[in-house]
Amino acid sequence: QKEVEQDPGPLSVPEGAIVSLNCTYSNSAFQYFMWYRQYSRKGPELLMYTYSSGNKEDGRFTAQVDKSSKYISLFIRDSQPSDSATYLCAMKFGNEKLTFGTGTRLTIIP
Amino acid sequence: DVKVTQSSRYLVKRTGEKVFLECVQDMDHENMFWYRQDPGLGLRLIYFSYDVKMKEKGDIPEGYSVSREKKERFSLILESASTNQTSMYLCASSSNRQGHLNEQFFGPGTRLTVL
Repeated sequence: QKEVEQDPGPLSVPEGAIVSLNCTYSNSAFQYFMWYRQYSRKGPELLMYTYSSGNKEDGRFTAQVDKSSKYISLFIRDSQPSDSATYLCAMKFGNEKLTFGTGTRLTIIP
Repeated sequence: DVKVTQSSRYLVKRTGEKVFLECVQDMDHENMFWYRQDPGLGLRLIYFSYDVKMKEKGDIPEGYSVSREKKERFSLILESASTNQTSMYLCASSSNRQGHLNEQFFGPGTRLTVL
């Protein structure tokens, strides 16, 4: 079993819809939960991060962490074609290395 | 703005060739990383370095080596390229000045094809 599981998609939704992206994990020691966005032919860039449990909101994006269920989510409201990308979850504890999910490819249809 | 650059965007090599992938960062970051990215497997850590002349094996170091002679430069070496090393290679760097967050900044990647 992988430490971090993520549905690879692809996921296609119409413009304006709410998008939900999710990851599950098995290592209860993870403390930092991150979402990276990767546009085609580019490297990933950090979109949001959460330390421990709870929610974090940044504009149209909301990150949620449920440590009891070992489940994290990224919600995108009012999705735009410019949100089309691959979204990777990543996790770590302390100073240890990042563990990535496989990434979900998202397409927003105008 | 942090900038991580990689020497080539696309590279085609033959089986058995020695391949060098170069990565340079301009933000004085202590930590540098090499990943490969494959469909269905995500990003997998090959090697990383926390300091000059220092290297640590990641999850899949077999068939690779690295060199870090200067703080800003981290090289990935394929001693004898094989077809199963065809992949997207991503370099990243991070600073110890963010506490444990250590946000990683990625380069644009090098798509390597081994024939």
